[in-house]
Amino acid sequence: VQLIQSGAEMKKPGATVKISCQASGYTFTDHYIHWLQQAPGKGLEWVGLVDPKDGERVYADNFQGRVTIAADTSSDTAYLELRSLRSEDTAVYYCATASNFWSGYYNWGQGTLVTVSS
Amino acid sequence: DIVMTQTPLSLAVIPGQPASISCKSSHSLLHSEGKTYLHWYLQKPGQPPQLLIYEVSNRFSGVPDRFSGGGSGTDFTLKISRVEADDVGIYYCMQSIKLPRTFGGGTKVEIK
Repeated sequence: VQLIQSGAEMKKPGATVKISCQASGYTFTDHYIHWLQQAPGKGLEWVGLVDPKDGERVYADNFQGRVTIAADTSSDTAYLELRSLRSEDTAVYYCATASNFWSGYYNWGQGTLVTVSS
Repeated sequence: DIVMTQTPLSLAVIPGQPASISCKSSHSLLHSEGKTYLHWYLQKPGQPPQLLIYEVSNRFSGVPDRFSGGGSGTDFTLKISRVEADDVGIYYCMQSIKLPRTFGGGTKVEIK
């Protein structure tokens, strides 16, 4: 199982960033994909999840209204889009897979650094 | 949201000595089906977290048996029987019984 994320991004405040997470080595629609945020030197914060089987999405309250998570079954790729970026969004974003709704994350992407700076 | 509290914040351990990390949750992590959704991760410097222990006490594939997890309800512990140099990093507990998923603040383990 592999999750390969897109490369680092540098954005200005107010801009939008879209990160991808390409899955391989398993049936994409079998497992949830979650997104997590880790600000520099900080812990882990859950951003949201998508069920690739039916596209169902759930977002954390802190990101609601600014985030869209999607899954493209034609390319086995999940996406995280974050809008109206602010400096506090500067962080590494990880995708991770969970085998069912309650399971731990058994595989993680390598992380994508998003830097928001004017 | 379920609050996860880890102690200690940091730990310096002599190689070969044991280490123990505590994680307490603000709500029971015991699901009605009987499983408890508490997991442990290790984040080595410059790497994404890696799953060590799932559902309180199950070692993930490839995890050495010097790592063990225990506890129930709201109180959990990760133990390393004999710390090695490769074990340095930040350890996180995480609950997955409810959304949003929440993590403990992390315990940094260093070699003394």
